[in-house]
Amino acid sequence: NAGVTQTPKFRILKIGQSMTLQCAQDMNHNYMYWYRQDPGMGLKLIYYSVGAGITDKGEVPNGYNVSRSTTEDFPLRLELAAPSQTSVYFCASTGRGYTGELFFGEGSRLTVL
Amino acid sequence: GIQVEQSPPDLILQEGANSTLRCNFSDSVNNLQWFHQNPWGQLINLFYIPSGTKQNGRLSATTVATERYSLLYISSSQTTDSGVYFCALNRDDKIIFGKGTRLHILP
Repeated sequence: NAGVTQTPKFRILKIGQSMTLQCAQDMNHNYMYWYRQDPGMGLKLIYYSVGAGITDKGEVPNGYNVSRSTTEDFPLRLELAAPSQTSVYFCASTGRGYTGELFFGEGSRLTVL
Repeated sequence: GIQVEQSPPDLILQEGANSTLRCNFSDSVNNLQWFHQNPWGQLINLFYIPSGTKQNGRLSATTVATERYSLLYISSSQTTDSGVYFCALNRDDKIIFGKGTRLHILP
C-alpha cells in the first residue's frame, strides 16, 4: 500500500519556468490538500479538493493552480516560478472529510533560482 | 478564518523530563490532529483527537472542544522525541495547521 506519493522529491527551477508537482493516493480518499512549508515555519494550505472536479483556494493560493480530474490524482502547477516559491511542498489526503485522519506524502523540495 | 495558536514556540529539555504542549483555537472545529515532524522532515500522525483523551505509550493527548484547546503530553522524553509538533484543525473542509512547537531533547 503506497499511501500518498509525491514526485519529484527535489527540483531546481529558474525564475519564470513552469512545472507540475504530482500527487497520487491509492486509498480512495475524496479529500486532498497541498501545503507549503518554508524553512523553520509551519504548513500553509495552498489548495484543497473535496472530490473529483472540485477544488478550492486555501490560505496562500497565489502563483499556483490545481486540477482534480480523478479521485487518485491532485497535481499542483506553478506557472511562472519566483524565488518566493522556494519551499517544501506536501500533499495530503483524508477519506472522511470531517472525521478522517490526514495522511502525508514525503514532500517535494523546490528551489527557484 | 479560524486561528490556531501553539505554545510554547520552543522547548529545550533534558532527556527523561516531561512536557506539555498546548494548542488553542478560536472557533469550533470538526476534528483535531497532532503531528510530529522529525528532523528529516517527515510528518507522522500522533493522535486524531476531536475530543476526549487518548494515550499511546509515553504520549497522550486531551482535547476539550468546548473550551477550544488541546494538550499533548510527552513523558520520560527521549532524544528521538526531538522535532516539531503541530496541531491541525479541520473546519469546513479546510485543514489548518498551527505554527508548531520546536522540541529539543538533550542527552
